[in-house]
Amino acid sequence: DSGVTQTPKHLITATGQRVTLRCSPRSGDLSVYWYQQSLDQGLQFLIQYYNGEERAKGNILERFSAQQFPDLHSELNLSSLELGDSALYFCASSVTSGGPADTQYFGPGTRLTVL
Amino acid sequence: AQSVTQLGSHVSVSEGALVLLRCNYSSSVPPYLFWYVQYPNQGLQLLLKYTTGATLVKGINGFEAEFKKSETSFHLTKPSAHMSDAAEYFCAVSVWGNTDKLIFGTGTRLQVFP
Repeated sequence: DSGVTQTPKHLITATGQRVTLRCSPRSGDLSVYWYQQSLDQGLQFLIQYYNGEERAKGNILERFSAQQFPDLHSELNLSSLELGDSALYFCASSVTSGGPADTQYFGPGTRLTVL
Repeated sequence: AQSVTQLGSHVSVSEGALVLLRCNYSSSVPPYLFWYVQYPNQGLQLLLKYTTGATLVKGINGFEAEFKKSETSFHLTKPSAHMSDAAEYFCAVSVWGNTDKLIFGTGTRLQVFP
C-alpha cells in the first residue's frame, strides 16, 4: 500500500458525459501527478500540481482539467467523454517538487470505461 | 527530449532462471532512471532508482540495475526468478529542467514458468 488513495476504483459511463476522479496523496506529500495508461498510448503524464498550483502539463486534452485543493487532495475532471478516453488513470504523489530524483508513489488507479 | 525504449514487450523465463529486462534511454542531460513494477489490477510500485553515485543500484525483491552511461542503458536483473515476479515492468526517466514528470517506456511483461 503506497498511501495514495484513489476513488472510485471503477467508473462506467457513456460518451458525452463528465466524470470526476479523486486522489488523496500520501500524508505530507505536496505534489500530485496524474497519468493515463491506455493500450495504445501506454503510460502518459497528464498534469502535475504542487501545493495547490499547477506546475506542469503533459499530454492533457482540453476536455480534461484538474485541481488541487487546500487539503492537497486532487481531482481530475474529464468531460465530453469519448470512447478513446477509456483507460486506467493513476494518481501519484511525492514529498516535494524538489526535482526529478523524487520518488513518485502511485495509487491503485481508477479504471474508466466509456460506452 | 527524453525517451525510454524497452526491448521486448514479453519476456518468459523458468523459475530459478536469470531475469534480464532491457531498458535504453535517450537524454542530452544526466538522467534519473527508475524501474517500476505493476502487478495485475494494481498500481505501480517502485523497484529501484538511479540518481547519482554508485551505478549499480539494488532494489526490492532481489532486483538490481546498472546504469551504463556509455551504453545509455539501465537494464534490470534478478539472479533467480520466482513465480511471484510475474508482472509488468516499466522503465522511466526524468531530468532536471523538464519538471518532475516521469517518461515511461512501453513496459515488459514478465512471465515465469514453473
